[in-house]
Amino acid sequence: KAGVTQTPRYLIKTRGQQVTLSCSPISGHRSVSWYQQTPGQGLQFLFEYFSETQRNKGNFPGRFSGRQFSNSRSEMNVSTLELGDSALYLCASSPKPGETQYFGPGTRLLVL
Amino acid sequence: GNSVTQMEGPVTLSEEAFLTINCTYTATGYPSLFWYVQYPGEGLQLLLKATKADDKGSNKGFEATYRKETTSFHLEKGSVQVSDSAVYFCALTGRVNYGQNFVFGPGTRLSVLP
Repeated sequence: KAGVTQTPRYLIKTRGQQVTLSCSPISGHRSVSWYQQTPGQGLQFLFEYFSETQRNKGNFPGRFSGRQFSNSRSEMNVSTLELGDSALYLCASSPKPGETQYFGPGTRLLVL
Repeated sequence: GNSVTQMEGPVTLSEEAFLTINCTYTATGYPSLFWYVQYPGEGLQLLLKATKADDKGSNKGFEATYRKETTSFHLEKGSVQVSDSAVYFCALTGRVNYGQNFVFGPGTRLSVLP
């Protein structure tokens, strides 16, 4: 079974721009979670989607948004990028909420 | 709410040394417990898990036992290798309908020297 895939793997943007990251979960997995990882803050939960509905959201500003499609693929969007948004963004999928999560390789975003 | 506490790193060991990384948790109900490992430049990989008290998870020579009485899930390995150098995350998943399901600890960086 193919693992979780994330595109793009690397991205460079400038302040004020917006960015969209994509995540394709493991086949059959309907829950997708997003995390931001930075050296200073560690792994921080962004949001979780299940059956196209956002179930939980972390403590991030409204510039961070996401969605999930009927095929369980998910996207997250960050608008009006700030330097502090530079991070590794990780996506994880599980069959259902609360079950074992499997991670993708991440998208490394650099904001200049 | 649910939380996970890990020992602060970095941890530096010589090859073939014994490894222990402490993890304790706070959770309502009976969570499942996990250890994930992150190698440089990669995402997190599931290392092992345990779903109920006294269960022992094991993989690649690593072990951890779910201790409900001490709310702990310490990671151990008898003889570490240079290739074990990575960041290790302890995590739990709680009741499905109670807030964020998956909670991660801050991670412990392990460096193994030849």
